Amino acid sequence: KAGVTQTPRYLIKTRGQQVTLSCSPISGHRSVSWYQQTPGQGLQFLFEYFSETQRNKGNFPGRFSGRQFSNSRSEMNVSTLELGDSALYLCASGLDTQGDNEQFFGPGTRLTVL
Amino acid sequence: AQTVTQSQPEMSVQEAETVTLSCTYDTSESDYYLFWYKQPPSRQMILVIRQEAYKQQNATENRFSVNFQKAAKSFSLKISDSQLGDAAMYFCALLQGAQKLVFGQGTRLTINP
Repeated sequence: KAGVTQTPRYLIKTRGQQVTLSCSPISGHRSVSWYQQTPGQGLQFLFEYFSETQRNKGNFPGRFSGRQFSNSRSEMNVSTLELGDSALYLCASGLDTQGDNEQFFGPGTRLTVL
Repeated sequence: AQTVTQSQPEMSVQEAETVTLSCTYDTSESDYYLFWYKQPPSRQMILVIRQEAYKQQNATENRFSVNFQKAAKSFSLKISDSQLGDAAMYFCALLQGAQKLVFGQGTRLTINP
């Protein structure tokens, strides 16, 4: 079974631009979570989707948004990019059923904002 | 608010020796899950071990085991017979609500041959 895939793996943008990152979960997984990883702030939860509904949201500004499609693939969008948005963005998928809450992580998308 | 603290930014151990990574957490929930994740230089986050808070027995996965002290809110990871492939960043995490993981700051583990 294929793992979690994220595209693109690397991205360079300039301040003020917007960016869309994509995540394809493991087949059968309906939960997709997004995390931002930076040297200063560590790993921080962005949001989580389950069956196309956002169930949980972290403490990030409204410039960060996401969505999930009927095939469970998810996208996150960051508008009006700032230098501080440079980070590794990790996506994780899971079944999230009774007794099975393990999250499987993708390789991440490295975003650099210049 | 739930928090996770890893007080050891870096640790090193000789190959084949045992090392323990520390983690403390804070939560007001009575039912929760704790995890240790490993992130090698390739960046792919991998689950090492999981502990359900309602279970008193400490989880074990081959060379990896935990010491879960619920009253003290402590969740340490012991790696026995350390191998070069164990070198990585290790993150302690608390599952809060619907698939929201709260991570500690991580411990960088170096294995000396």
